Amino acid sequence: DAGVTQSPTHLIKTRGQQVTLRCSPKSGHDTVSWYQQALGQGPQFIFQYYEEEERQRGNFPDRFSGHQFPNYSSELNVNALLLGDSALYLCASSLKKTSGGEYEQYFGPGTRLTVT
Amino acid sequence: DAKTTQPPSMDCAEGRAANLPCNHSTISGNEYVYWYRQIHSQGPQYIIHGLKNNETNEMASLIITEDRKSSTLILPHATLRDTAVYYCILRRNAGNMLTFGGGTRLMVKP
Repeated sequence: DAGVTQSPTHLIKTRGQQVTLRCSPKSGHDTVSWYQQALGQGPQFIFQYYEEEERQRGNFPDRFSGHQFPNYSSELNVNALLLGDSALYLCASSLKKTSGGEYEQYFGPGTRLTVT
Repeated sequence: DAKTTQPPSMDCAEGRAANLPCNHSTISGNEYVYWYRQIHSQGPQYIIHGLKNNETNEMASLIITEDRKSSTLILPHATLRDTAVYYCILRRNAGNMLTFGGGTRLMVKP
């Protein structure tokens, strides 16, 4: 049973460029959340996708956008990259409960983005 | 979601029990206590969660005080591979996002 997978593992971009990160959820999961983790800090929630719609968003600018596909996989897009966007980007998948909320989130290994 | 307080770092001898405390004095009645850990350069790993009863799984035990204002994660026989940052997180039953604090850096020493 494959866990959460992310690609690429590492990426180097220049300021002002755009980047797309990809995530495949754990088998059986229908919800994908994205987190940003700066060096030495805990992960910060960016947004969550369920049924191909953004359901909840953290305190991140509109430069950060996403998409969820019918097979539940997801993409994170960041436009107009800044040096401060350098971080580990984590994807987590989960399964929604019929009663509301969701079961525990399982994380992928992350994509290390460096902006120069 | 309410905030948690954890010691920034702890040491534990290999083979001994590691007891990681977490204070959450403002916890709400519908908030669960979740524990995750993050080994260096990897994604966070789910460990265990509970509401008010003590919980145990193959990885750890979670002890929640009767007033639910604090909890302790117990790794019964710590190994070097348990060296990681451990996060205590409160999450509503209907909640989605996880709010990570600073966590506790556990160092297991031979």
